Amino acid sequence: GQQLNQSPQSMFIQEGEDVSMNCTSSSIFNTWLWYKQDPGEGPVLLIALYKAGELTSNGRLTAQFGITRKDSFLNISASIPSDVGIYFCAGQNSNYQLIWGAGTKLIIKP
Amino acid sequence: NAGVTQTPKFRVLKTGQSMTLLCAQDMNHEYMYWYRQDPGMGLRLIHYSVGEGTTAKGEVPDGYNVSRLKKQNFLLGLESAAPSQTSVYFCASSKGGSGANVLTFGAGSRLTVL
Repeated sequence: GQQLNQSPQSMFIQEGEDVSMNCTSSSIFNTWLWYKQDPGEGPVLLIALYKAGELTSNGRLTAQFGITRKDSFLNISASIPSDVGIYFCAGQNSNYQLIWGAGTKLIIKP
Repeated sequence: NAGVTQTPKFRVLKTGQSMTLLCAQDMNHEYMYWYRQDPGMGLRLIHYSVGEGTTAKGEVPDGYNVSRLKKQNFLLGLESAAPSQTSVYFCASSKGGSGANVLTFGAGSRLTVL
């Protein structure tokens, strides 16, 4: 079946650093979604992307829908302690199914 | 606006026991889902429903059953719990239909099977 490769699996960063993560696939998707999961909570939608090449921001977060429709990127600028958590990408295919990445765990060094 | 509510939040079972997880949504969403989350494996779809009275298998349906008797509720049942079903379970819902399938998640139910 379709798979998404999300990388990196985890990141250790200093507060104030910029963060980049991405999801890639051999399949084409019509929509890309980025979620964040805080410890002990369910995932919450951060950004939804609907069109190839689209670049969308939500505060310090910026996500892009790859031009090939096979990948997406999420950037976080000037990270702060509350950015810790697990970030998930999800791609929606032509059958309206959501395919999930395995997540990127963000840890901020004290 | 409560969104998606899951009960219970925590449960410990012995192998072979049965239990039901309840999910309720107040957003009039057509679609509902049950996922399990295990370390390093992301979210895996167990079962889903595209409307009241309908259910379908997801990626990892074995050992689970579901029912959607009312539009707002989606129940996940374990008939004979096994240690491999120790996990965090998430319910989600979405509007459904054509267009982007944006899911709203509950806070999760942590199940331990001894």
